[in-house]
Amino acid sequence: DAGVTQSPTHLIKTRGQQVTLRCSPKSGHDTVSWYQQALGQGPQFIFQYYEEEERQRGNFPDRFSGHQFPNYSSELNVNALLLGDSALYLCASSLGTGGVIGQFFGPGTRLTVL
Amino acid sequence: KQEVTQIPAALSVPEGENLVLNCSFTDSAIYNLQWFRQDPGKGLTSLLLIQSSQREQTSGRLNASLDKSSGRSTLYIAASQPGDSATYLCAAPLSSGSARQLTFGSGTQLTVLP
Repeated sequence: DAGVTQSPTHLIKTRGQQVTLRCSPKSGHDTVSWYQQALGQGPQFIFQYYEEEERQRGNFPDRFSGHQFPNYSSELNVNALLLGDSALYLCASSLGTGGVIGQFFGPGTRLTVL
Repeated sequence: KQEVTQIPAALSVPEGENLVLNCSFTDSAIYNLQWFRQDPGKGLTSLLLIQSSQREQTSGRLNASLDKSSGRSTLYIAASQPGDSATYLCAAPLSSGSARQLTFGSGTQLTVLP
């Protein structure tokens, strides 16, 4: 049973560029949430996608956008990259909104903005 | 707004010791509470999930308790091993809202010395 997968593993970009991160949920899961984790901090909620719609959004600017596809996979897009966007980006999948069985995380994508 | 605090921020113990990690949250209207483990630079591994109606959950050498009235959860690790060295995070999503947005503490960095 494949768990949550994310690509790429690492990414280096320069300020002002745009980036797309990808996530495939655990088999049987239909909801994807994205989190940003700065070094030494706990993950911060970006947004959640369910039924191809953004259901809830954390305190992140509109430069952060996402998409969910019919096969439940998801993309996170960040425009006009800032140095402060350097972080580990985590994808979590769940069944429904993740209340009963919780959320399961992928290995993350390490984004470095120079 | 939910706030989660984890104490201590770091802990170093000799192998074989039993230890307790603490997690406190400000809003007791939680849907569940989930404990995770994170190895350096890696994603989160779910350890235990306690539903809001439960008092504790056990998995092997791990036992997590939940006291909603006091806004606290503890993770007990028995007979610690060097392989337990990692950062431990707790997350407590609120029962309100459609998405189970996870609010994390900053984690406890555990080092088990051989």
